[in-house]
Amino acid sequence: KAGVTQTPRYLIKTRGQQVTLSCSPISGHRSVSWYQQTPGQGLQFLFEYFSETQRNKGNFPGRFSGRQFSNSRSEMNVSTLELGDSALYLCASSPWTSGGAGETQYFGPGTRLLVL
Amino acid sequence: SQQGEEDPQALSIQEGENATMNCSYKTSINNLQWYRQNSGRGLVHLILIRSNEREKHSGRLRVTLDTSKKSSSLLITASRAADTASYFCATDPDYKLSFGAGTTVTVRA
Repeated sequence: KAGVTQTPRYLIKTRGQQVTLSCSPISGHRSVSWYQQTPGQGLQFLFEYFSETQRNKGNFPGRFSGRQFSNSRSEMNVSTLELGDSALYLCASSPWTSGGAGETQYFGPGTRLLVL
Repeated sequence: SQQGEEDPQALSIQEGENATMNCSYKTSINNLQWYRQNSGRGLVHLILIRSNEREKHSGRLRVTLDTSKKSSSLLITASRAADTASYFCATDPDYKLSFGAGTTVTVRA
């Protein structure tokens, strides 16, 4: 099976702009999670989607939003970009067959966003 | 906030030596996972240990879990240059992975 893919891989934006990142999970995986990784804050959970519904959300401002489509592909959007949004954004998918926590997450290569 | 904390923050070893890193966490868990990240790329899952397990092996990896102390350790035996990476423990309170700050391991040839 193909792995998790993320597009674009690199992105440069300026403050105030908005950005949309895309994630295609492994075929058959229904859960998609997003994480932000920065040198200062480390890896932080943004949100998780399952069957087009957001089931969980991290402590990020409303400028960060996401959605999931019927084919499980997911997008996240960051509006009114700030310098501090510069980060590696990672998407992960899991089959969520157990119906609960504890499944292995399969990560994509990430999108590196630089905000100038 | 981060649930897990790894120790040490950085580790430098000679090829062929063993590397041990520890993870402490705050709340009760269903399981604990270890991931590896090579140089700012995506994370790769290494091993998952459930709360009712005490030790688990996978190739050159050995993970222990002590729920009474809320801690876990990852041992990499006979290290190789390819093991140079950052290692993260992750727990899943509330169905979302919470990562520690990671241990950066450098394996010298």
